Amino acid sequence: DTGVSQDPRHKITKRGQNVTFRCDPISEHNRLYWYRQTLGQGPEFLTYFQNEAQLEKSRLLSDRFSAERPKGSFSTLEIQRTEQGDSAMYLCASRTGIGQTNTGELFFGEGSRLTVL
Amino acid sequence: AQKITQTQPGMFVQEKEAVTLDCTYDTSDQSYGLFWYKQPSSGEMIFLIYQGSYDEQNATEGRYSLNFQKARKSANLVISASQLGDSAMYFCAMSRSGYSTLTFGKGTMLLVSP
Repeated sequence: DTGVSQDPRHKITKRGQNVTFRCDPISEHNRLYWYRQTLGQGPEFLTYFQNEAQLEKSRLLSDRFSAERPKGSFSTLEIQRTEQGDSAMYLCASRTGIGQTNTGELFFGEGSRLTVL
Repeated sequence: AQKITQTQPGMFVQEKEAVTLDCTYDTSDQSYGLFWYKQPSSGEMIFLIYQGSYDEQNATEGRYSLNFQKARKSANLVISASQLGDSAMYFCAMSRSGYSTLTFGKGTMLLVSP
């Protein structure tokens, strides 16, 4: 399968613990995105990388959240000192940055569901 | 700021019938893109169709078509000949021209009955 893969698919943790999610984008895609989706809502943008550079961060990304893409391939999203409000589905997406067309679709992974007890 | 509004929390349709899912948007940009995604219970967001703000023709992709009414700022998705596998959440989204970050609506749950 050459799609976007995310790991783990499900994570249950206690409040105050740290968690890390990993995303492996489609290999030729240089742009990678993280979104958060809570129950009954659409995905909300968190952050975006072009290669290894983090180019945009949403104000939703508090100081407890950090994302990296060290070699411009896979990315990690870490949440420190988790809170119950962090419970959500964390979606990763990627796309090619070739050209300036706005028709480029985002290819999403199946998400990592976080439950904070 | 961009905003997407999907006013239908849920829609029911019988198999083989057509269904329209509503989407209105708000933006001050002249150039933008409109997208529809499908999210089955597995969680993965699946791209369905795209419409550019300057496209004169409504976009079509197989059984999906986008009814784009720029003056009304609406971008409704029409699914013809519904299938049981179409049961899923459907999200309307938009992006600013030159930026690929998407803003999503809250979604519409579509249930297709036999």
